[in-house]
Amino acid sequence: EAQVTQNPRYLITVTGKKLTVTCSQNMNHEYMSWYRQDPGLGLRQIYYSMNVEVTDKGDVPEGYKVSRKEKRNFPLILESPSPNQTSLYFCASSLGRGWPNSNQPQHFGDGTRLSIL
Amino acid sequence: AQSVAQPEDQVNVAEGNPLTVKCTYSVSGNPYLFWYVQYPNRGLQFLLKYITGDNLVKGSYGFEAEFNKSQTSFHLKKPSALVSDSALYFCAVRDRSGGGADGLTFGKGTHLIIQP
Repeated sequence: EAQVTQNPRYLITVTGKKLTVTCSQNMNHEYMSWYRQDPGLGLRQIYYSMNVEVTDKGDVPEGYKVSRKEKRNFPLILESPSPNQTSLYFCASSLGRGWPNSNQPQHFGDGTRLSIL
Repeated sequence: AQSVAQPEDQVNVAEGNPLTVKCTYSVSGNPYLFWYVQYPNRGLQFLLKYITGDNLVKGSYGFEAEFNKSQTSFHLKKPSALVSDSALYFCAVRDRSGGGADGLTFGKGTHLIIQP
Protein backbone atom coordinates (compact mmCIF):
# COMPACT_ATOMS: atom_id res chain seq x y z
CA GLU A 1 0.00 0.00 0.00
CA ALA A 2 1.28 3.43 -0.97
CA GLN A 3 1.76 5.49 2.15
CA VAL A 4 3.63 8.12 4.09
CA THR A 5 4.48 6.94 7.62
CA GLN A 6 5.26 9.26 10.49
CA ASN A 7 6.52 8.33 13.94
CA PRO A 8 5.69 8.94 16.68
CA ARG A 9 2.02 9.83 16.31
CA TYR A 10 1.97 11.53 19.70
CA LEU A 11 4.75 12.93 21.87
CA ILE A 12 4.81 14.96 25.06
CA THR A 13 8.22 16.27 26.01
CA VAL A 14 9.93 19.12 27.79
CA THR A 15 11.61 22.30 26.64
CA GLY A 16 15.14 21.80 25.37
CA LYS A 17 15.10 18.03 24.96
CA LYS A 18 16.10 17.20 21.37
CA LEU A 19 13.60 15.15 19.41
CA THR A 20 13.25 13.69 15.94
CA VAL A 21 10.07 12.92 14.05
CA THR A 22 10.63 10.37 11.34
CA CYS A 23 8.92 10.31 7.95
CA SER A 24 9.15 7.56 5.36
CA GLN A 25 7.42 7.09 2.02
CA ASN A 26 7.27 3.98 -0.15
CA MET A 27 6.25 5.59 -3.45
CA ASN A 28 9.73 6.52 -4.70
CA HIS A 29 8.72 10.18 -4.59
CA GLU A 30 11.37 12.79 -5.17
CA TYR A 31 9.64 15.61 -3.32
CA MET A 32 9.02 15.60 0.43
CA SER A 33 7.83 18.31 2.77
CA TRP A 34 7.02 19.08 6.40
CA TYR A 35 4.06 21.19 7.51
CA ARG A 36 2.71 22.30 10.82
CA GLN A 37 -1.01 22.77 11.38
CA ASP A 38 -2.28 25.23 13.94
CA PRO A 39 -5.89 26.28 14.62
CA GLY A 40 -6.92 29.24 12.49
CA LEU A 41 -3.64 29.20 10.55
CA GLY A 42 -4.10 26.20 8.27
CA LEU A 43 -0.98 24.40 7.07
CA ARG A 44 2.34 26.18 6.96
CA GLN A 45 5.38 24.68 5.31
CA ILE A 46 8.48 24.20 7.45
CA TYR A 47 11.03 22.62 5.10
CA TYR A 48 10.96 20.79 1.82
CA SER A 49 13.27 18.58 -0.21
CA MET A 50 13.29 18.23 -3.96
CA ASN A 51 15.60 15.21 -3.93
CA VAL A 52 18.31 13.45 -1.95
CA GLU A 53 20.70 15.91 -0.30
CA VAL A 54 18.58 18.85 -1.53
CA THR A 55 16.61 20.68 1.16
CA ASP A 56 15.28 24.20 1.49
CA LYS A 57 13.38 26.39 3.93
CA GLY A 58 9.65 26.85 3.77
CA ASP A 59 7.63 29.60 5.38
CA VAL A 60 8.32 28.79 9.07
CA PRO A 61 11.74 27.06 9.33
CA GLU A 62 12.98 28.64 12.58
CA GLY A 63 13.80 26.07 15.26
CA TYR A 64 13.72 23.09 12.90
CA LYS A 65 16.24 21.05 10.93
CA VAL A 66 15.81 18.36 8.29
CA SER A 67 17.97 15.92 6.37
CA ARG A 68 17.49 13.87 3.21
CA LYS A 69 20.17 11.21 3.08
CA GLU A 70 17.90 8.66 1.42
CA LYS A 71 15.05 9.15 -1.01
CA ARG A 72 12.44 7.52 1.20
CA ASN A 73 13.24 9.25 4.51
CA PHE A 74 12.88 12.88 5.58
CA PRO A 75 13.22 13.32 9.36
CA LEU A 76 12.28 16.52 11.15
CA ILE A 77 14.62 17.50 13.98
CA LEU A 78 13.89 19.87 16.84
CA GLU A 79 17.29 20.52 18.43
CA SER A 80 15.93 22.52 21.38
CA PRO A 81 12.14 22.37 21.39
CA SER A 82 10.15 25.24 22.86
CA PRO A 83 6.45 25.51 23.82
CA ASN A 84 5.64 27.53 20.66
CA GLN A 85 6.50 24.42 18.65
CA THR A 86 3.56 22.59 20.18
CA SER A 87 1.56 21.70 17.09
CA LEU A 88 0.31 19.02 14.73
CA TYR A 89 2.96 18.10 12.17
CA PHE A 90 2.47 16.51 8.76
CA CYS A 91 4.92 15.01 6.34
CA ALA A 92 3.96 14.88 2.67
CA SER A 93 5.46 13.58 -0.56
CA SER A 94 4.80 13.81 -4.28
CA LEU A 95 6.33 12.75 -7.57
CA GLY A 96 8.11 16.03 -8.01
CA ARG A 97 8.80 15.61 -11.71
CA GLY A 98 9.29 18.96 -13.30
CA TRP A 99 8.79 20.50 -9.88
CA PRO A 100 7.75 23.15 -9.17
CA ASN A 101 5.57 22.98 -12.24
CA SER A 102 4.08 19.60 -11.44
CA ASN A 103 0.34 19.35 -10.97
CA GLN A 104 0.56 16.17 -8.94
CA PRO A 105 -1.14 16.14 -5.53
CA GLN A 106 0.75 15.54 -2.35
CA HIS A 107 0.33 12.42 -0.20
CA PHE A 108 0.18 13.09 3.53
CA GLY A 109 1.08 11.08 6.60
CA ASP A 110 -1.42 10.79 9.46
CA GLY A 111 0.31 13.45 11.53
CA THR A 112 2.38 13.78 14.70
CA ARG A 113 0.94 15.70 17.62
CA LEU A 114 3.77 17.29 19.62
CA SER A 115 3.32 18.89 23.02
CA ILE A 116 6.30 20.79 24.40
CA LEU A 117 5.95 21.59 28.10
CA ALA B 1 2.88 36.21 -3.67
CA GLN B 2 0.01 33.74 -3.75
CA SER B 3 -2.77 33.29 -1.24
CA VAL B 4 -5.94 31.34 -0.57
CA ALA B 5 -8.99 32.50 1.33
CA GLN B 6 -11.64 30.24 2.78
CA PRO B 7 -14.09 32.79 4.15
CA GLU B 8 -16.12 30.41 6.30
CA ASP B 9 -14.65 28.72 9.36
CA GLN B 10 -17.65 26.42 9.47
CA VAL B 11 -20.45 25.37 7.15
CA ASN B 12 -23.55 23.59 8.42
CA VAL B 13 -25.74 21.62 6.02
CA ALA B 14 -28.62 19.22 6.53
CA GLU B 15 -28.11 15.71 5.21
CA GLY B 16 -29.42 15.36 1.67
CA ASN B 17 -29.08 19.06 0.88
CA PRO B 18 -26.51 20.45 -1.54
CA LEU B 19 -23.32 21.83 -0.03
CA THR B 20 -20.81 24.47 -1.06
CA VAL B 21 -17.46 25.24 0.55
CA LYS B 22 -16.01 28.48 -0.73
CA CYS B 23 -12.46 29.21 -1.85
CA THR B 24 -10.93 32.23 -3.53
CA TYR B 25 -7.32 32.56 -4.55
CA SER B 26 -4.72 35.04 -5.68
CA VAL B 27 -1.74 34.20 -7.87
CA SER B 28 0.36 36.23 -10.25
CA GLY B 29 0.04 33.71 -13.08
CA ASN B 30 -2.28 30.82 -13.87
CA PRO B 31 -3.15 28.47 -11.04
CA TYR B 32 -3.27 24.82 -10.27
CA LEU B 33 -6.02 24.40 -7.66
CA PHE B 34 -6.60 21.56 -5.21
CA TRP B 35 -9.07 20.46 -2.58
CA TYR B 36 -8.07 18.20 0.30
CA VAL B 37 -10.15 16.70 3.11
CA GLN B 38 -8.98 15.90 6.63
CA TYR B 39 -10.82 13.46 8.87
CA PRO B 40 -10.12 13.41 12.63
CA ASN B 41 -6.69 12.02 13.52
CA ARG B 42 -5.77 11.61 9.86
CA GLY B 43 -3.65 13.41 7.31
CA LEU B 44 -4.99 15.35 4.37
CA GLN B 45 -6.48 13.33 1.54
CA PHE B 46 -6.57 14.58 -2.04
CA LEU B 47 -10.10 15.17 -3.39
CA LEU B 48 -9.71 16.86 -6.75
CA LYS B 49 -7.66 19.31 -8.77
CA TYR B 50 -8.02 21.83 -11.55
CA ILE B 51 -5.27 21.95 -14.13
CA THR B 52 -6.79 23.28 -17.32
CA GLY B 53 -9.77 22.75 -19.58
CA ASP B 54 -13.27 22.12 -18.29
CA ASN B 55 -14.10 24.49 -15.47
CA LEU B 56 -16.13 21.82 -13.65
CA VAL B 57 -13.88 19.25 -12.07
CA LYS B 58 -15.15 15.99 -10.60
CA GLY B 59 -13.37 14.24 -7.77
CA SER B 60 -13.66 11.60 -5.09
CA TYR B 61 -16.74 10.80 -2.97
CA GLY B 62 -19.10 12.65 -5.33
CA PHE B 63 -17.47 16.05 -4.85
CA GLU B 64 -16.93 18.53 -7.64
CA ALA B 65 -15.50 22.00 -7.89
CA GLU B 66 -16.05 24.87 -10.28
CA PHE B 67 -13.17 27.02 -11.44
CA ASN B 68 -14.16 30.62 -12.13
CA LYS B 69 -11.27 32.65 -13.47
CA SER B 70 -13.04 36.01 -13.46
CA GLN B 71 -14.01 35.61 -9.81
CA THR B 72 -10.75 33.80 -8.90
CA SER B 73 -12.79 31.16 -7.13
CA PHE B 74 -12.74 27.40 -6.85
CA HIS B 75 -15.76 26.43 -4.75
CA LEU B 76 -16.23 22.83 -3.65
CA LYS B 77 -19.71 21.37 -4.17
CA LYS B 78 -21.73 18.25 -3.70
CA PRO B 79 -25.37 17.79 -4.80
CA SER B 80 -26.47 15.77 -1.77
CA ALA B 81 -24.55 15.85 1.53
CA LEU B 82 -23.89 12.80 3.67
CA VAL B 83 -23.20 12.77 7.41
CA SER B 84 -19.90 11.06 6.56
CA ASP B 85 -18.84 14.19 4.62
CA SER B 86 -18.34 15.98 7.94
CA ALA B 87 -14.65 16.87 8.04
CA LEU B 88 -12.15 19.71 7.64
CA TYR B 89 -11.65 20.86 4.04
CA PHE B 90 -8.63 22.68 2.67
CA CYS B 91 -8.27 24.56 -0.59
CA ALA B 92 -4.75 24.96 -2.00
CA VAL B 93 -3.24 26.85 -4.90
CA ARG B 94 -0.02 26.59 -6.85
CA ASP B 95 1.17 29.16 -9.34
CA ARG B 96 2.11 27.31 -12.53
CA SER B 97 5.32 29.28 -12.64
CA GLY B 98 6.23 27.70 -9.32
CA GLY B 99 6.68 30.70 -7.12
CA GLY B 100 7.12 30.33 -3.37
CA ALA B 101 8.75 27.61 -1.35
CA ASP B 102 7.12 24.83 -3.32
CA GLY B 103 4.46 26.89 -4.99
CA LEU B 104 1.69 25.33 -2.87
CA THR B 105 -0.29 27.52 -0.46
CA PHE B 106 -3.14 26.22 1.71
CA GLY B 107 -6.19 28.03 3.01
CA LYS B 108 -7.00 27.96 6.71
CA GLY B 109 -9.59 25.25 6.33
CA THR B 110 -13.38 25.03 6.62
CA HIS B 111 -15.17 22.70 9.01
CA LEU B 112 -18.07 21.07 7.21
CA ILE B 113 -20.77 19.73 9.51
CA ILE B 114 -23.58 17.65 8.05
CA GLN B 115 -26.56 17.34 10.37
CA PRO B 116 -28.75 14.20 10.22
